[in-house]
Amino acid sequence: AQSVTQLDSHVSVSEGTPVLLRCNYSSSYSPSLFWYVQHPNKGLQLLLKYTSAATLVKGINGFEAEFKKSETSFHLTKPSAHMSDAAEYFCVVSDPRGGSYIPTFGRGTSLIVHP
Amino acid sequence: DSGVTQTPKHLITATGQRVTLRCSPRSGDLSVYWYQQSLDQGLQFLIQYYNGEERAKGNILERFSAQQFPDLHSELNLSSLELGDSALYFCASSPPQSPYNEQFFGPGTRLTVL
Repeated sequence: AQSVTQLDSHVSVSEGTPVLLRCNYSSSYSPSLFWYVQHPNKGLQLLLKYTSAATLVKGINGFEAEFKKSETSFHLTKPSAHMSDAAEYFCVVSDPRGGSYIPTFGRGTSLIVHP
Repeated sequence: DSGVTQTPKHLITATGQRVTLRCSPRSGDLSVYWYQQSLDQGLQFLIQYYNGEERAKGNILERFSAQQFPDLHSELNLSSLELGDSALYFCASSPPQSPYNEQFFGPGTRLTVL
């Protein structure tokens, strides 16, 4: 069975400071891992994905994440937060079950960016 | 804009009623997924269809059903509605050549059951 834990329900940063959103996963297979972002009243948008290639994954809007198998982690980072980054972020694990990759979503981390 | 469309955007109905939510996937995508997002349960996978056939089932209630039509659009039917069914319902699609299940989400349908 697969599971994902987002360690913080809320993260608050000042504009221009680094962002760290933490995610730990559990999977019986070699999983695919994703980060999605959801702005208020919008659908989810893919930020980045890990699919067993490079362990450091770069995504859109300056975000990146590092896959650490030994720590079963896939934390999302950004060097400098922007006001437009304020949103809900979801870490997702997906592994093959019965021939289909069904994702499991974390509960989400709300990123608050102060001016 | 992800290319996935959902209608209607908002739906207000009463307990005991039945509603149908509609989703059109991105051009070329064969898979459609339905999700329910609520404050207490988070984002829950309901069901997946691939090229017209049911592929996987998640936490979908027996009062709910879905189908995918030959033109690949999908409908989610919710019946005997309860207050607790009030939620955001998302549809997502994924490309056939992606084994890693990268998904593109629609804007959602907000269902309010009064």
